[in-house]
Amino acid sequence: AQSVTQPDIHITVSEGASLELRCNYSYGATPYLFWYVQSPGQGLQLLLKYFSGDTLVQGIKGFEAEFKRSQSSFNLRKPSVHWSDAAEYFCAVGIIQGAQKLVFGQGTRLTINP
Amino acid sequence: EAGVAQSPRYKIIEKRQSVAFWCNPISGHATLYWYQQILGQGPKLLIQFQNNGVVDDSQLPKDRFSAERLKGVDSTLKIQPAKLEDSAVYLCASSFGQGASEQFFGPGTRLTVL
Repeated sequence: AQSVTQPDIHITVSEGASLELRCNYSYGATPYLFWYVQSPGQGLQLLLKYFSGDTLVQGIKGFEAEFKRSQSSFNLRKPSVHWSDAAEYFCAVGIIQGAQKLVFGQGTRLTINP
Repeated sequence: EAGVAQSPRYKIIEKRQSVAFWCNPISGHATLYWYQQILGQGPKLLIQFQNNGVVDDSQLPKDRFSAERLKGVDSTLKIQPAKLEDSAVYLCASSFGQGASEQFFGPGTRLTVL
């Protein structure tokens, strides 16, 4: 069965520091991979997605992610975080069954220290 | 372009009562999704519509949950009767079509069952 694991439930970093959020997936075929961000009381916003091609994907708000097939990983990175990046981050794998079905990880809550 | 609209934003009910949520997707989006997000977890797909037909309802607790999408536009999700474990945020999302289309999420309805 398809699954997504985000090993870190909560991460705290200082403003201006670099960030890496981990994501591992389990899926038998070539995955479609996504990172979403959810601020308190808000819906999910797409940060970036990987479908095929270049394994380093650029997204909005200065985020990037790298797909590593050998490690079944799709880690999210940002070189310098801002206080406004504090939020919940979700990794998801997309399964194409006609329309697309997303299977989400449990999320990583990011706290930014001033 | 207007986003996905959901109402109400918050709802508090007692167990065994009934509740209904409404979703208006982005204009022209054929695919509509309902997700359940329990506190501390990632969203879980409950049901997926393509126009007004159900594509996937394998994780919908059909003894108490029902959903419809009349005329392939708006959708309602109903719970009858509610249980304590139904306390969650119910997210609606829509996408333009089939395949790897991006899903756009509404702000969600936070349900508390007492």
